[in-house]
Amino acid sequence: NAGVMQNPRHLVRRRGQEARLRCSPMKGHSHVYWYRQLPEEGLKFMVYLQKENIIDESGMPKERFSAEFPKEGPSILRIQQVVRGDSAAYFCASSSSGRDTQYFGPGTRLTVL
Amino acid sequence: DAKTTQPPSMDCAEGRAANLPCNHSTISGNEYVYWYRQIHSQGPQYIIHGLKNNETNEMASLIITEDRKSSTLILPHATLRDTAVYYCIVRANNNDMRFGAGTRLTVKP
Repeated sequence: NAGVMQNPRHLVRRRGQEARLRCSPMKGHSHVYWYRQLPEEGLKFMVYLQKENIIDESGMPKERFSAEFPKEGPSILRIQQVVRGDSAAYFCASSSSGRDTQYFGPGTRLTVL
Repeated sequence: DAKTTQPPSMDCAEGRAANLPCNHSTISGNEYVYWYRQIHSQGPQYIIHGLKNNETNEMASLIITEDRKSSTLILPHATLRDTAVYYCIVRANNNDMRFGAGTRLTVKP
């Protein structure tokens, strides 16, 4: 069974550009979570989505960040007009329900120049 | 979700058992104890979870005290590849998990 897949694994953007991070959940999972990890810190919850619905976005910055999980295709975390402070590792996790164990992907490391 | 307290770092000799403690004194009755680990900068890896009974799987054992205010993750025979940051998380049957700073376990030869 393929695990949670994320791409790209590494992404470099210049200030002001857009970053799109993709997450394909494990087979059979319809719940997706995004976390951000700044250097030398723990993971911070950002957003929880089910297919076509945002369930909890309490951890998302109010501006420039958005997430979606369409009926078909991967979940997308979109960061507009990136700034250097957005440089971090972004991890996606998936589960079969909101109560079940979350399994993490390998992460996308975003570097903003 | 209840907060957890873990020692920032621990050392363990290769081949010996690693016992990682976690305090969660404000845990609620419906909150589970989860353990994950993160090796280098990889994605967190699920290890084990439990509610009130002790649990064991191929990776580790989880011992939860009777009052559920603390728990211990046991790696029975630590190897160098077990060097990682270990996170103890308490979580109700809801969405996000709150990661703390974890315990940095170093397994030494």
